[in-house]
Amino acid sequence: AQKITQTQPGMFVQEKEAVTLDCTYDTSDPSYGLFWYKQPSSGEMIFLIYQGSYDQQNATEGRYSLNFQKARKSANLVISASQLGDSAMYFCAMYSQGNFNKFYFGSGTKLNVKP
Amino acid sequence: NAGVMQNPRHLVRRRGQEARLRCSPMKGHSHVYWYRQLPEEGLKFMVYLQKENIIDESGMPKERFSAEFPKEGPSILRIQQVVRGDSAAYFCASSPSLDAPTNEKLFFGSGTQLSVL
Repeated sequence: AQKITQTQPGMFVQEKEAVTLDCTYDTSDPSYGLFWYKQPSSGEMIFLIYQGSYDQQNATEGRYSLNFQKARKSANLVISASQLGDSAMYFCAMYSQGNFNKFYFGSGTKLNVKP
Repeated sequence: NAGVMQNPRHLVRRRGQEARLRCSPMKGHSHVYWYRQLPEEGLKFMVYLQKENIIDESGMPKERFSAEFPKEGPSILRIQQVVRGDSAAYFCASSPSLDAPTNEKLFFGSGTQLSVL
């Protein structure tokens, strides 16, 4: 069975500093995809970054990077140079090739960026 | 607007009434997913549909909940005889066909916040 774990219910970071949000996953499928979504207080789900299980390099999208450690089954999100607008809930999600129709979401991490 | 459209944005119902939530997928997307988000929790899969077919409804409660995605028109999530525990945010997402590259992500709508009084 697939499972996503986010162990940090809440995080604080000072503006302009970097922050790492943790995510571990569990799947027996060799082919899978890992995602991070941002959910601001307005409620919408905003796609941030994707990492495929066969990708050799860590994914990067602007200030977002995904620290993918396959052997440890972790897919941590790194946000560099935090901005006040980064304050939101962040969800890690996964699908596996054998179960494409379901995205499994972690319970989320609430990030607060302090001025 | 080419995004996933959900309406209404907010829906208030009294216990025992019916709730109908609508979702229009992105243009060209033939796969629709419904997720439920309880307060302070992540999204939980409910159902996966293609046009006129329910592919996977393993996350749907067995009673009172149903979903459809007709040949024409939006996908509908229907909750009959709502109870207070149904209060949640319901998100719809769409994706292209399964032939799409595996990095294809889900595109989410803005959600419908259902409040049951």
